[in-house]
Amino acid sequence: QKEVEQNSGPLSVPEGAIASLNCTYSDRGSQSFFWYRQYSGKSPELIMFIYSNGDKEDGRFTAQLNKASQYVSLLIRDSQPSDSATYLCAVMNRDDKIIFGKGTRLHILP
Amino acid sequence: EAGVAQSPRYKIIEKRQSVAFWCNPISGHATLYWYQQILGQGPKLLIQFQNNGVVDDSQLPKDRFSAERLKGVDSTLKIQPAKLEDSAVYLCAGGWGNSPLHFGNGTRLTVT
Repeated sequence: QKEVEQNSGPLSVPEGAIASLNCTYSDRGSQSFFWYRQYSGKSPELIMFIYSNGDKEDGRFTAQLNKASQYVSLLIRDSQPSDSATYLCAVMNRDDKIIFGKGTRLHILP
Repeated sequence: EAGVAQSPRYKIIEKRQSVAFWCNPISGHATLYWYQQILGQGPKLLIQFQNNGVVDDSQLPKDRFSAERLKGVDSTLKIQPAKLEDSAVYLCAGGWGNSPLHFGNGTRLTVT
């Protein structure tokens, strides 16, 4: 049973455009949601976290959470070539387990 | 603030051999996680500790994998005997409450 679903991509976005990454989760009791960026050969690094419904903005990044739809997304504005990476969605479920999706590969086209 | 320390960074072993990985989380990390990440996939949770107790090990192949966290600080993950399909990056992460995880650099294991 898949608990956190992401489109594996690759998602190709022109430089300067908005990249939109999506994630759905199965445990309706989940309370905490995280987006990590992972460069090839490196460990995941935290980009955003969100706990409440709505939007949360941090610089060029916006996380959006809709608990009714069990959906969380990450928007990257003014995409840069350095944003090319795999983006991992992670969800802390009601059992306090943090489960990761398979990740979405993002390519920013110069 | 020191990060999550893991060692070794790389390990190459033959199948049926044993291997151990070590993790020292950031001071204050009550929760410690071991994840297995196979190339092209997301991290898969193997085991979760809360202080020195196991919270969840449902995904740990207990016939060959074992882990401990003595004194609620550092942790070791062992594989004995290793199989080819164990080739992966083993990530240790720490946290507390519902806060985001802090990852170590990982150990890349190659089983030949």
